[in-house]
Amino acid sequence: KQEVTQIPAALSVPEGENLVLNCSFTDSAIYNLQWFRQDPGKGLTSLLLIQSSQREQTSGRLNASLDKSSGRSTLYIAASQPGDSATYLCAVQNDYKLSFGAGTTVTVRA
Amino acid sequence: NAGVTQTPKFQVLKTGQSMTLQCAQDMNHNSMYWYRQDPGMGLRLIYYSASEGTTDKGEVPNGYNVSRLNKREFSLRLESAAPSQTSVYFCASFRGRVGNEQFFGPGTRLTVL
Repeated sequence: KQEVTQIPAALSVPEGENLVLNCSFTDSAIYNLQWFRQDPGKGLTSLLLIQSSQREQTSGRLNASLDKSSGRSTLYIAASQPGDSATYLCAVQNDYKLSFGAGTTVTVRA
Repeated sequence: NAGVTQTPKFQVLKTGQSMTLQCAQDMNHNSMYWYRQDPGMGLRLIYYSASEGTTDKGEVPNGYNVSRLNKREFSLRLESAAPSQTSVYFCASFRGRVGNEQFFGPGTRLTVL
């Protein structure tokens, strides 16, 4: 059974600092890994998808890396802004199923 | 293009009542999913339908049933609601091939008293 862990559970940083969010998974036979953002009381918004054959994926200030052999992914958010405050979820795909971590709740202080 | 839609947005039930959560997608995706989200536990898969005409159990199927009505619609039924089923329910869809994203609906907030 795939187990996905996200550390830390919560993070508070001053505006402008870079954010580093970690995700680890136990079964490396994944098809892809997806990072989501969730605002309080809202649904999930897909941020980045990394296929198993890729090492990283970038979108604007976001960069996600994947080391499949060690079962790790890292999401970097450069120059954080208060609008980046949200919960970030990591999910790995095996076959047709996604397994989610519990998320990292980020607060960016103005 | 509405993506994934869910109804209702909120619902309060009494223990033992039944209800059906509706989900529809307009992206011509093959696969559809139902998840529940509880505080501190991330999302857990209840049931999924890899393609029209098929359904399979996920991690937490007990107390639920599903119907893949057609390619667009996938419903989740609670036959006899219990307080343990108080949660936020999300529907998602997926094209079904490697390298494609899952897209999520806005969620249904269910409280069982």
